Amino acid sequence: EAGVTQSPTHLIKTRGQQATLRCSPISGHTSVYWYQQALGLGLQFLLWYDEGEERNRGNFPPRFSGRQFPNYSSELNVNALELEDSALYLCASRPQGTYEQYFGPGTRLTVT
Amino acid sequence: AQSVTQLDSQVPVFEEAPVELRCNYSSSVSVYLFWYVQYPNQGLQLLLKYLSGSTLVKGINGFEAEFNKSQTSFHLRKPSVHISDTAEYFCAVSGASGTYKYIFGTGTRLKVLA
Repeated sequence: EAGVTQSPTHLIKTRGQQATLRCSPISGHTSVYWYQQALGLGLQFLLWYDEGEERNRGNFPPRFSGRQFPNYSSELNVNALELEDSALYLCASRPQGTYEQYFGPGTRLTVT
Repeated sequence: AQSVTQLDSQVPVFEEAPVELRCNYSSSVSVYLFWYVQYPNQGLQLLLKYLSGSTLVKGINGFEAEFNKSQTSFHLRKPSVHISDTAEYFCAVSGASGTYKYIFGTGTRLKVLA
């Protein structure tokens, strides 16, 4: 069974640009979570998508947004990039009726 | 609100020695507890989970954890560590609001010395 996949592995952007990160959950998992792992700030919950809808978001500004597609894959968009957006962005998926999440390898976003 | 505290940011230990990584949580409702391991430049791998039932939980790679409700703790233990256990370990809590989102601790870097 394939695990959670994320693309790209690395992304380098300039301040003010937009970044798009992609995530494919494990087959059969309908929930997708996004977390930010920034140096010194730990792992912070960003967004939760389930059945195509945004269900919950963490304490992040609206320029962090995303969507979930009919095949349950997901996209995270970060607009108007700031230097402090540099971080590892982790995607996780969760099957219905369970509580554990399975993480992808992450996308490292560097904003210069 | 829920929170997780990992008391030790770094734990050095010699190979084949036992180790305990501490995790305390705060929650006004029932919780589900998890330990994850992160190797350099990788995502998180689930080590073990406590959802209900027996308070002693066994996980992968010889790790185990004990849920202690009265002390609101979920410490991770391994009786004999290997060099390959060198990694960062995260404790997480979920439950409460029905979002199933994780609140993570700040992590403990385990360094196994030869």
